Amino acid sequence: DAGITQSPRHKVTETGTPVTLRCHQTENHRYMYWYRQDPGHGLRLIHYSYGVKDTDKGEVSDGYSVSRSKTEDFLLTLESATSSQTSVYFCAITRTGNEQFFGPGTRLTVL
Amino acid sequence: AQSVTQLDSQVPVFEEAPVELRCNYSSSVSVYLFWYVQYPNQGLQLLLKYLSGSTLVKGINGFEAEFNKSQTSFHLRKPSVHISDTAEYFCASGGSGGSNYKLTFGKGTLLTVNP
Repeated sequence: DAGITQSPRHKVTETGTPVTLRCHQTENHRYMYWYRQDPGHGLRLIHYSYGVKDTDKGEVSDGYSVSRSKTEDFLLTLESATSSQTSVYFCAITRTGNEQFFGPGTRLTVL
Repeated sequence: AQSVTQLDSQVPVFEEAPVELRCNYSSSVSVYLFWYVQYPNQGLQLLLKYLSGSTLVKGINGFEAEFNKSQTSFHLRKPSVHISDTAEYFCASGGSGGSNYKLTFGKGTLLTVNP
């Protein structure tokens, strides 16, 4: 929905390797977000962006970095993946009135 | 900082029974409230939202929620559930301008509808 795609949809990697997840939107929205979802924790905000090259930290940003060089793309990077970063990652955009729309998610497993 | 508490982590019900999923929020400023649904192995889908106006909000699939400012609650209800309503439900709150439209989510309530 809302023209949001995430890639890859599934990834298995090893501890210590870098990983980049991509979120792509087709509707030119200014605000974009990265969340992680873990059982018993709901969704927790990792980083968000309020424009090209404008990003800020969320509540669980340690070990993650982001970049936004174009309006349509928001990248999440794990510089050196750890097993604690095994999770499902969701990208979201805001249309109006705080209403967020979510991408399909990326399931990441760090061995 | 805002917080959202979903009072039940799991709610089992029988088909055609009524259900209420409870959500309390904390905020000292104007707040927007949302319920999202997540079906197994899918992303989150907006069920309904409260931005302003009528405190009774109707959403998709026969769900409704009532905003109660004095009790800081936004409980989700459905008078008669179906097997297909089995999913995880998330309550979320967001502030008005200046918050970069960030949302705070509860930890989720797993609704299981049994035949």
